[in-house]
Amino acid sequence: GEDVEQSLFLSVREGDSSVINCTYTDSSSTYLYWYKQEPGAGLQLLTYIFSNMDMKQDQRLTVLLNKKDKHLSLRIADTQTGDSAIYFCAETLYNQGGKLIFGQGTELSVKP
Amino acid sequence: DAGVTQSPTHLIKTRGQHVTLRCSPISGHKSVSWYQQVLGQGPQFIFQYYEKEERGRGNFPDRFSARQFPNYSSELNVNALLLGDSALYLCASSLDPFGELFFGEGSRLTVL
Repeated sequence: GEDVEQSLFLSVREGDSSVINCTYTDSSSTYLYWYKQEPGAGLQLLTYIFSNMDMKQDQRLTVLLNKKDKHLSLRIADTQTGDSAIYFCAETLYNQGGKLIFGQGTELSVKP
Repeated sequence: DAGVTQSPTHLIKTRGQHVTLRCSPISGHKSVSWYQQVLGQGPQFIFQYYEKEERGRGNFPDRFSARQFPNYSSELNVNALLLGDSALYLCASSLDPFGELFFGEGSRLTVL
């Protein structure tokens, strides 16, 4: 079945690295995404990874994909207070482009 | 360039009423998707439209309907509102059904 799970909260100190984890159940995932949502706002796409990749780096963001364990992580280097937000992991399935399946979101709190 | 615009941004309805939410996609985008985000949860897929045709539907009752107009804008209609319909309704547009989704800031519906 289709299910995406995330831990609900993460608290880090400014300047530390943050690692947000996500697990998914459907092995037919094609793309996996990380979105950021700030209070009262819509969703902002941060980065994505194709399911046949293991890693993708984009400035302060590193995405790691372990297909065997169906585990996805987002690492934010040098976390800043402006990174405080809710982070959603999402997947699209083969032949269902446009339908994103989201996790419940991880609230990241960055303390000065 | 304007992003995805949604209206109204906030509205309050009572049980049993109906509501119409509107979405204007990014210029040139032909696909529109709708998502429901209940407080504290990730967004859930409701509909996708492409070239004025319904291309996908999530697990929502028939009280939910949508349409896409020749200018690619879209409406989401919800009849016989229930308290549980209170949520942030997000619209996203993309060039085509498989393209990157760009989200609007949402319409926050409160049902009393």
